[in-house]
Amino acid sequence: ELKVEQNPLFLSMQEGKNYTIYCNYSTTSDRLYWYRQDPGKSLESLFVLLSNGAVKQEGRLMASLDTKARLSTLHITAAVHDLSATYFCAGLQGGSEKLVFGKGMKLTVNP
Amino acid sequence: KAGVTQTPRYLIKTRGQQVTLSCSPISGHRSVSWYQQTPGQGLQFLFEYFSETQRNKGNFPGRFSGRQFSNSRSEMNVSTLELGDSALYLCASSLKGPNNEKLFFGSGTQLSVL
Repeated sequence: ELKVEQNPLFLSMQEGKNYTIYCNYSTTSDRLYWYRQDPGKSLESLFVLLSNGAVKQEGRLMASLDTKARLSTLHITAAVHDLSATYFCAGLQGGSEKLVFGKGMKLTVNP
Repeated sequence: KAGVTQTPRYLIKTRGQQVTLSCSPISGHRSVSWYQQTPGQGLQFLFEYFSETQRNKGNFPGRFSGRQFSNSRSEMNVSTLELGDSALYLCASSLKGPNNEKLFFGSGTQLSVL
């Protein structure tokens, strides 16, 4: 059974700073997904990483996948307040259409 | 194009009652997944349907059931409600399923069981 762990679970950072958050998963999962959730809102898809070494960037966020290390990272560059949200990573349970989510990381970017 | 629509947005029920939640996927999407979100357990997979067939089911009791219609709309039903069923229920759609694709989530149905 796939397990997905995120760390840290809470992060408070200042605008303009950089930071990397981590997502580890327990068994083989060749697909890794990142989602964002604003308070009281639904989930918004950020990235779908489909293969080892995949790197995707959008704006100040860049995600990468290392399937050998069972690790995905989400790098934040020059954070701005609008990035404040909860970020979830999820892996695809092998042989199924089931996404297994991490507990989420609540990011607060302070002016 | 219109997004994933879930109705109702909020629901209050009492223990022992049953509830039906509805999800209309994005036009053309044939896969619908359901997730339960709670502060304690996070996001947990309930089931996934594709072309009216349940392909996967999560680890929930039999009180949780679902179905998908020929127009890809989906419903989930929870019978004999318990306090612990209070949660945000999210549905998500995609063309063929989560493998290789983004899921598009609806706004959710917030269920409160009293």
